[in-house]
Amino acid sequence: AQSVTQLDSQVPVFEEAPVELRCNYSSSVSVYLFWYVQYPNQGLQLLLKYLSGSTLVKGINGFEAEFNKSQTSFHLRKPSVHISDTAEYFCAILSGGYQKVTFGTGTKLQVIP
Amino acid sequence: EAGVTQFPSHSVIEKGQTVTLRCDPISGHDNLYWYRRVMGKEIKFLLHFVKESKQDESGMPNNRFLAERTGGTYSTLKVQPAELEDSGVYFCASSQARQAYSGANVLTFGAGSRLTVL
Repeated sequence: AQSVTQLDSQVPVFEEAPVELRCNYSSSVSVYLFWYVQYPNQGLQLLLKYLSGSTLVKGINGFEAEFNKSQTSFHLRKPSVHISDTAEYFCAILSGGYQKVTFGTGTKLQVIP
Repeated sequence: EAGVTQFPSHSVIEKGQTVTLRCDPISGHDNLYWYRRVMGKEIKFLLHFVKESKQDESGMPNNRFLAERTGGTYSTLKVQPAELEDSGVYFCASSQARQAYSGANVLTFGAGSRLTVL
């Protein structure tokens, strides 16, 4: 089975402060990992993905994530957030033997002016 | 290139009524997926079409849900009769790659259809 855990349902952070959104996964085989973002009244947009190679992955809007196989984590980070980053962020996994992506419960990032 | 389009954006119906959600994938995308998010919970897989064929419908909650994909183009998801627990946001996604298991098979999602059952 494959599963994703996002422990933080909401993360408030002041503008220009750094942020980390946590994601842990469970899978017995190799995985592909994704972060999606949903801005208000919009669809899910791919932020970044890890397929293989370098464990540090850079995405759009200044976000990056690091794949840590030993800790089964794929935390999302941004050194300085903007008001426009206020959205809900979803971690997702696709692992061997599965034909579908599994999502976490989402983390709402609220950037405070 | 037009994205994935879903109709309606919001539907409010009473328990026992029928609702049909529609998804228009990106042109040329063989893979079409339906997902659902019940409030506060994770986005859950419902089913997967490859062209007009159902590849995997293991996530469909029960037989009140019927999905079709006519001619391998747009897809509809019908809920009949609707129950209170069917409320949520229904997302459609599409992808091009033939091999569903591929990190390159990035899903493009629509904005979702919010269903409220009263």
